[in-house]
Amino acid sequence: QSALTQPASVSGSPGQSITLSCTGTSSDVGGYNYVSWYQQHPGKAPKLMIYDVSNRPSGVSNRFSGSKSGNTASLTISGLQAEDEADYYCSSYTGSSTYVFGTGTKVTVL
Amino acid sequence: QLQLQESGPGLVKPSETLSLTCTVSGGSISSSSYYWDWIRQPPGEGLEWIGSKFYSGSTYYNPSLKSRVTMSVDTSKNQFSLKLSSVTAADTAVYYCVSRRRTNFDYWGQGSLVTVSS
Repeated sequence: QSALTQPASVSGSPGQSITLSCTGTSSDVGGYNYVSWYQQHPGKAPKLMIYDVSNRPSGVSNRFSGSKSGNTASLTISGLQAEDEADYYCSSYTGSSTYVFGTGTKVTVL
Repeated sequence: QLQLQESGPGLVKPSETLSLTCTVSGGSISSSSYYWDWIRQPPGEGLEWIGSKFYSGSTYYNPSLKSRVTMSVDTSKNQFSLKLSSVTAADTAVYYCVSRRRTNFDYWGQGSLVTVSS
């Protein structure tokens, strides 16, 4: 059960759009539509931002959107804001009621 | 809205057993809507799923930790617990208790730092 692969860092200017990737295998990301994304600010617990690939929980800004193609899931942040600067982790169901997280991406707002 | 709070020793000696408890408020641990999970994060590193417990018994563990992990639920106290045996420095981490609805980790505790050191 290897961690999903995410880029270590992604940056963008305020107002821009950025896309974070999350690459797994056919046994996790590619095999199920159960990818979720979490935002974590320093010293805080993670927060659910996207579930089931592309669904937003109540209260999460519509600037956040998710998608998936094959073994790679993506999180797009539109209209980048200073408050979006954080670490982002993807997670996938891997079958047999087990889960795996990604390596994490640090988003920097320039 | 659920609230979760971890409690337990912040320091554990190598080879001993790490024990943490999570107290759930704002909802019943006997709810059929939730699984109760533990997730950890070593300092400066990423998240690692440890395992999951349903109130009525079903338990699932990360294969890499399965031989050392035990999870339990106490419905009378609305709590669930984690035990990790034979700990080493590699088990030093912030441990989060989390509620999971279907495949989504939706409510998290604030986290409890456990350091393994003699």
